Amino acid sequence: SAVISQKPSRDICQRGTSLTIQCQVDSQVTMMFWYRQQPGQSLTLIATANQGSEATYESGFVIDKFPISRPNLTFSTLTVSNMSPEDSSIYLCSVVWESGELFFGEGSRLTVL
Amino acid sequence: SQELEQSPQSLIVQEGKNLTINCTSSKTLYGLYWYKQKYGEGLIFLMMLQKGGEEKSHEKITAKLDEKKQQSSLHITASQPSHAGIYLCGADSTSGTYKYIFGTGTRLKVLA
Repeated sequence: SAVISQKPSRDICQRGTSLTIQCQVDSQVTMMFWYRQQPGQSLTLIATANQGSEATYESGFVIDKFPISRPNLTFSTLTVSNMSPEDSSIYLCSVVWESGELFFGEGSRLTVL
Repeated sequence: SQELEQSPQSLIVQEGKNLTINCTSSKTLYGLYWYKQKYGEGLIFLMMLQKGGEEKSHEKITAKLDEKKQQSSLHITASQPSHAGIYLCGADSTSGTYKYIFGTGTRLKVLA
């Protein structure tokens, strides 16, 4: 299975600032996604991180708010821009493994004050 | 749009007891995944079911997908405190896209 590392694991941020979350996979993977889990809620897909091109965003999520980079097949970043308390969530990256299974990182828990 | 309903929402059982968590879809599932999440952490992959009638087991956890591929159950035998956490079912919303939707989760507490 894939080993997925996320940084930071948690952070407390001030309103109006931006935070970049990193996702590193120990093997090359084709498909990588970013999810958000708001407090007490289930997971919601933010976007598909495409290698070498712009990410594909789901309804309700825009590039200006959640810019995503994916420079290669093992690494991606998600930035949460101009944060507000409503952005307090766990952000998770996930990858599709060669077996077709979807694996998740340990998540980045973000609190915005 | 497709939704996944999980039941029960929460469950408290005595150690050693068996339990079942259900996941029901409004549409046919192309693949059904079960995950366990410890509070505030990432998701641990448990099992993937793809075929109607499929059943898989790992240690004391068994998952089944019904023939119509609209309902799945997760059964834990002789529960232990280590089984505590949030169990989530997830499914591919459109075949082959891997754009998963998830159920709202079942919070399991096991009393020693």
